[in-house]
Amino acid sequence: NAGVMQNPRHLVRRRGQEARLRCSPMKGHSHVYWYRQLPEEGLKFMVYLQKENIIDESGMPKERFSAEFPKEGPSILRIQQVVRGDSAAYFCASSPEGDTEAFFGQGTRLTVV
Amino acid sequence: AQSVTQLDSQVPVFEEAPVELRCNYSSSVSVYLFWYVQYPNQGLQLLLKYLSGSTLVKGINGFEAEFNKSQTSFHLRKPSVHISDTAEYFCAVTRYKLTFGGGTRVLVKP
Repeated sequence: NAGVMQNPRHLVRRRGQEARLRCSPMKGHSHVYWYRQLPEEGLKFMVYLQKENIIDESGMPKERFSAEFPKEGPSILRIQQVVRGDSAAYFCASSPEGDTEAFFGQGTRLTVV
Repeated sequence: AQSVTQLDSQVPVFEEAPVELRCNYSSSVSVYLFWYVQYPNQGLQLLLKYLSGSTLVKGINGFEAEFNKSQTSFHLRKPSVHISDTAEYFCAVTRYKLTFGGGTRVLVKP
């Protein structure tokens, strides 16, 4: 059973471009979380999704950021018109249910130049 | 709402010495508790978890944690650290959504 797969591992974007981060949860997991980790800071919750539903997006910036978890395929975190402040590590985690531990991917390190 | 406070942002410790990382949480409902470890440029790995039962939980790599409901704490301990334990440690709670503390950086010195 493969772990949580995130790709790409590293992503470089110029200011104003779009960034798409992908997360394939573990097999059988229908819950996905996205977290952001800024340099020298802890993990900040962004969004919690189940298949085809956004359960909690209280940590998502109001503009430019969106997330989806379609019935088929990976979860996508999309950042439009990236700015330098978006540079961070973005981690995805999945769980079989909401009340259990989550398993993390290796993260996508986004650098905006 | 739930929140997690890790009281120490950095903990330097000598090799083979004991270490304790403190974690306090607040929640209006009962929660499940976790400790995760993050090595440099890696994702997070689960060290241990408390769901119910015995309040002393043993995890991987010789770590253990004790759940104290009255003090709403879940401190992590290891009796003797190795250089390889140098990492960042995160305490987390969940009741439908994982909430993390700010992390504690452990630096093990020879």
